[in-house]
Amino acid sequence: GAVVSQHPSRVICKSGTSVKIECRSLDFQATTMFWYRQFPKKSLMLMATSNEGSKATYEQGVEKDKFLINHASLTLSTLTVTSAHPEDSSFYICSARDPTSGSGYEQYFGPGTRLTVT
Amino acid sequence: GQNIDQPTEMTATEGAIVQINCTYQTSGFNGLFWYQQHAGEAPTFLSYNVLDGLEEKGRFSSFLSRSKGYSYLLLKELQMKDSASYLCAAVTGTASKLTFGTGTRLQVTL
Repeated sequence: GAVVSQHPSRVICKSGTSVKIECRSLDFQATTMFWYRQFPKKSLMLMATSNEGSKATYEQGVEKDKFLINHASLTLSTLTVTSAHPEDSSFYICSARDPTSGSGYEQYFGPGTRLTVT
Repeated sequence: GQNIDQPTEMTATEGAIVQINCTYQTSGFNGLFWYQQHAGEAPTFLSYNVLDGLEEKGRFSSFLSRSKGYSYLLLKELQMKDSASYLCAAVTGTASKLTFGTGTRLQVTL
């Protein structure tokens, strides 16, 4: 099946610094990738939709200047949390859609990145 | 707006059957997914329904009624490893995004 990797799996950073998270589709080309945030014991909240070669589409309430998304190739999207604050601490999960698979809507999820801002 | 509801928690006994319900009110509906998520891990695909009816896949089955905005996931012969969160997600809008429900934490006991 389709595999999505995410790196790093855990990161601790200090307030005010920036952190980059990478999301890669390993065995398929993903024209669309998604970034989610998940709080403890809560469901996934979509932050933005990332399309290869174009600007990301952010959900209402998500600061695009704080959460920078780049989708430079069909297999790689990155999320950079800029000027991180403790309230940005969360579990960030990316997913990639394989348009050739099944329904064409299915998203394959990466293993997630646990970000802790001290 | 999009609204998807699931029970927050459920408990069931090993070997039993459990049904997890999901109701939705969305625009541009293109089907409904069920995902399983163990704590600290990524969601994994269980099922996708776009037409009304029951889809069976081993111990797991999923049902959809588009007219009622209702779906359920049926888990049979429960095992301890089935303890996890179960997320229903509707495909919505022109961008075909997934809108997730609140998730149901299932605890399987002996």
